[in-house]
Amino acid sequence: AQSVAQPEDQVNVAEGNPLTVKCTYSVSGNPYLFWYVQYPNRGLQFLLKYITGDNLVKGSYGFEAEFNKSQTSFHLKKPSALVSDSALYFCAVRDWGGNKLVFGAGTILRVKS
Amino acid sequence: DTAVSQTPKYLVTQMGNDKSIKCEQNLGHDTMYWYKQDSKKFLKIMFSYNNKELIINETVPNRFSPKSPDKAHLNLHINSLELGDSAVYFCASSQVPDSSYEQYFGPGTRLTVT
Repeated sequence: AQSVAQPEDQVNVAEGNPLTVKCTYSVSGNPYLFWYVQYPNRGLQFLLKYITGDNLVKGSYGFEAEFNKSQTSFHLKKPSALVSDSALYFCAVRDWGGNKLVFGAGTILRVKS
Repeated sequence: DTAVSQTPKYLVTQMGNDKSIKCEQNLGHDTMYWYKQDSKKFLKIMFSYNNKELIINETVPNRFSPKSPDKAHLNLHINSLELGDSAVYFCASSQVPDSSYEQYFGPGTRLTVT
């Protein structure tokens, strides 16, 4: 069965600094990997996904993520954080051919001005 | 236009009652889902329908019964509500159930059982 680990409950970063939110995964076959963001009292919004191809994936709001097969990681990154990026971030994985999306526990990102 | 909508947004009820949550998507997607987000923000799939057919049925008490009258609607009925049912319930949809497609989430329904 697939699983996702987000090792940090919270990440704090100063506005303008680069940010990284970590994610590692476990699947039996090839993974499909996703990042979602949840703002307070809102539903989840899709940020980006890795299906195949280039290991560096670019998504919404200037976010990108790097797929690393050897380290089974899919870390979310942004070169310059904004206060408005403060939210709860979820990494999720699906087995190739599977129809169930499994989410990590989430990481709170706090960007301070 | 709201892509995935849920009603009601808030639901406060007493133990033992029966309640329903409705979900509608106007994206033309074939697949819809129900998720439960607990107080620690952990998100777990409950059910999924593809073109009105149940394709995912996780280990959920049978007090929870989903119904899909058409592929644009997926409702969740809960019988004999318990305190532990308090959570935020999210509806989502995707183009097809294929692994590569992202899901679009509704705004959530916060259920409080007293």
